[in-house]
Amino acid sequence: NAGVTQTPKFQVLKTGQSMTLQCAQDMNHNSMYWYRQDPGMGLRLIYYSASEGTTDKGEVPNGYNVSRLNKREFSLRLESAAPSQTSVYFCASSENVGTELFFGSGTQLSVL
Amino acid sequence: AQSVTQPDIHITVSEGASLELRCNYSYGATPYLFWYVQSPGQGLQLLLKYFSGDTLVQGIKGFEAEFKRSQSSFNLRKPSVHWSDAAEYFCAVGADSWGKLQFGAGTQVVVTP
Repeated sequence: NAGVTQTPKFQVLKTGQSMTLQCAQDMNHNSMYWYRQDPGMGLRLIYYSASEGTTDKGEVPNGYNVSRLNKREFSLRLESAAPSQTSVYFCASSENVGTELFFGSGTQLSVL
Repeated sequence: AQSVTQPDIHITVSEGASLELRCNYSYGATPYLFWYVQSPGQGLQLLLKYFSGDTLVQGIKGFEAEFKRSQSSFNLRKPSVHWSDAAEYFCAVGADSWGKLQFGAGTQVVVTP
């Protein structure tokens, strides 16, 4: 049972570099999400995809883009990384009915 | 706008003692309510959820939570804590049927021998 798989687990970037975080789920869920976790702030929603072919902004979308490649995969791209984007990033998925989120194990990103 | 407050940033409890974590929410209607646990280096795992019905909800790992509409609270409890319960706990509120959640800032639980 893989569930939600994120890659990479760790990444260090220099300011201005770009990168893509990958996420895949094998539970046939319709909805997928990207959150960032910062100390003392809990998890904040960056972008979500309610269903294949749709994406929408969450609470903190600036500096990020997403692609719902197919039903299984939802990627997060940082076009020009900034130190403020140093965080732990979590991908999650859920069925479109009911609200239980299933999380990946996270990506720890440092931007120097 | 909906919001979630976890008043306690950090709680230390002795193994075998009881634990209660507080969660208060602000939302116009009856929200969907959740508690998640995050062990070090791991993603979040759902402990329990409340959608409607019985206000006392049982979850995994011996946890329970009680929804109190009059107090806008959804506190998490465990009668006897085990060392493996040391983790960070997040309360979350959802207004949408497909799961866009607002998370609290979390409560770090330390368990002492």
